[in-house]
Amino acid sequence: DQQVKQNSPSLSVQEGRISILNCDYTNSMFDYFLWYKKYPAEGPTFLISISSIKDKNEDGRFTVFLNKSAKHLSLHIVPSQPGDSAVYFCAADWETSGSRLTFGEGTQLTVNP
Amino acid sequence: EPEVTQTPSHQVTQMGQEVILRCVPISNHLYFYWYRQILGQKVEFLVSFYNNEISEKSEIFDDQFSVERPDGSNFTLKIRSTKLEDSAMYFCASNRQGNQPQHFGDGTRLSIL
Repeated sequence: DQQVKQNSPSLSVQEGRISILNCDYTNSMFDYFLWYKKYPAEGPTFLISISSIKDKNEDGRFTVFLNKSAKHLSLHIVPSQPGDSAVYFCAADWETSGSRLTFGEGTQLTVNP
Repeated sequence: EPEVTQTPSHQVTQMGQEVILRCVPISNHLYFYWYRQILGQKVEFLVSFYNNEISEKSEIFDDQFSVERPDGSNFTLKIRSTKLEDSAMYFCASNRQGNQPQHFGDGTRLSIL
């Protein structure tokens, strides 16, 4: 199942700098996208979402950008903090369906002090 | 903040045995889900449940699997005649409406010997 893909298994940034995590999707039916953060031995924690009627959604240090023509979304974290070190998953859904999330592989973000 | 709780955190079972994984969704949530993550692979959707019936299931969710809401608070996943390849993290999730972010529990690690 390659409908949602995160091509970077890992990303390392310095504290205070910007982290940019990327996600691509192939299914044009997807119209609702989410980012989750996961620490070891914990479940995914919801961070931020975006509907396909928008191209940007912001919540504090987290901003998600959606480029529908490119079928690409990204999560920006500014400024990055050591506590942000975790695995980040993007997920996609049909908003009208609202029942089945399709996940990417995840990207391990490490923020160095 | 309300949480989805899952028990046990780790379940070890002999191949061929039946196992029941338990979840207590957030109390005012109406939609319930099970996902699994095999080691090194993506988080995969198994089943969604609403109004005391399955609303959607994946191709993974075959006759070996069943779900139940036995009372007003618990949501269970039963796996009959377990196989080695059922070893995975199993995550329960819930949301109040189907088109809102799903909130995940910390998972049950199922090990089949």
